[in-house]
Amino acid sequence: GAGVSQSPSNKVTEKGKDVELRCDPISGHTALYWYRQSLGQGLEFLIYFQGNSAPDKSGLPSDRFSAERTGGSVSTLTIQRTQQEDSAVYLCASSFSRGFYEQYFGPGTRLTVT
Amino acid sequence: AQTVTQSQPEMSVQEAETVTLSCTYDTSESDYYLFWYKQPPSRQMILVIRQEAYKQQNATENRFSVNFQKAAKSFSLKISDSQLGDAAMYFCAYSYNTNAGKSTFGDGTTLTVKP
Repeated sequence: GAGVSQSPSNKVTEKGKDVELRCDPISGHTALYWYRQSLGQGLEFLIYFQGNSAPDKSGLPSDRFSAERTGGSVSTLTIQRTQQEDSAVYLCASSFSRGFYEQYFGPGTRLTVT
Repeated sequence: AQTVTQSQPEMSVQEAETVTLSCTYDTSESDYYLFWYKQPPSRQMILVIRQEAYKQQNATENRFSVNFQKAAKSFSLKISDSQLGDAAMYFCAYSYNTNAGKSTFGDGTTLTVKP
């Protein structure tokens, strides 16, 4: 079946603009994760959804970041008033459930803030 | 807080040889899960191998095996008979089964395979 897809693949935006990043998980996966990966670095956990609920939003770097998931499927990560330090690759992953289950990653969205 | 440390930013191995990538972690939990993920230059991350902390037997997947030392909080990855396609960034990751669903990843080790 289809894997995790993310759009756009690349986004260049001006400082101060808002951006929306989209993630389409694998059908039937209840768990969805967002990560941020700076150039050549590890993954920074941002947020986790179980169904449409995000029990813990403390991984979001600031209140300019928000995320939602609707219908237990598509998720959007919104960054308001973007800053240059927001430039990174944003990765989405989904899994059957949390914990032991393998996370399937999307190709990522490369965000560049100029 | 859980932390994952990969002390080798870069490693290289000759094709057909064996290489071991190191990972240590810190946790106060007793039941958790450990993973090794591979990220090739095309950047899509895939699972290599995983280990449940309550299982003493080390996980093995073909040429990939782990050395899980729970007391030492160590989880190294051994790649045998290295192939050119093994060249990638490898991430060690930790998770446990809570509502927060948080996964913690190390900073990665870039593996180069020399022909």
